Amino acid sequence: AQTVTQSQPEMSVQEAETVTLSCTYDTSESNYYLFWYKQPPSRQMILVIRQEAYKQQNATENRFSVNFQKAAKSFSLKISDSQLGDTAMYFCAFMKHSNFGNEKLTFGTGTRLTIIP
Amino acid sequence: DVKVTQSSRYLVKRTGEKVFLECVQDMDHENMFWYRQDPGLGLRLIYFSYDVKMKEKGDIPEGYSVSREKKERFSLILESASTNQTSMYLCASRRQLLTGELFFGEGSRLTVL
Repeated sequence: AQTVTQSQPEMSVQEAETVTLSCTYDTSESNYYLFWYKQPPSRQMILVIRQEAYKQQNATENRFSVNFQKAAKSFSLKISDSQLGDTAMYFCAFMKHSNFGNEKLTFGTGTRLTIIP
Repeated sequence: DVKVTQSSRYLVKRTGEKVFLECVQDMDHENMFWYRQDPGLGLRLIYFSYDVKMKEKGDIPEGYSVSREKKERFSLILESASTNQTSMYLCASRRQLLTGELFFGEGSRLTVL
């Protein structure tokens, strides 16, 4: 079974600064996907960024980027030039590869990020 | 835009009551999921469904059942609600692709007294 660990329950940072959220995972799979999801206060959870394990290049989406270290089983999220709208719960998630595309996601316990004006 | 709608944002029920949580998606997604979200525990999978009339247990299925009679609708049933089922329940759907993104509803906060 896969496990996902987020060791930072809460973080806060000043607006415009850069912040890094940590995530580690444990798996015996060689081919899998990793995700960061964002849950703003009282709003729906949305996908922030996705990484395929077979790709060495780290994924980026505008101000969001990841540091994927496959050997260390680490998948951190970096938010650059943080904005007030980045205030949210952030969840790291793991999904093993399947040719049928119907695998479940395993989520971490989340990090509550607050951006301070 | 994909829309996943959960029937109730807030519910208050009594111990022993039967509770139905409904979820509807409008994008013809094959896969649907029910998660439970609790502080410090993250999201835990209760049940998921690959397709109509298909269901599979997740990590914490005890005390719950599901129904998927139509592709767009996935219902979570608490046969006899207990206080330890007080929680936020999240429904999600996904097209069955290799890296299909999950689309979530707004959540249903259930309080069992």
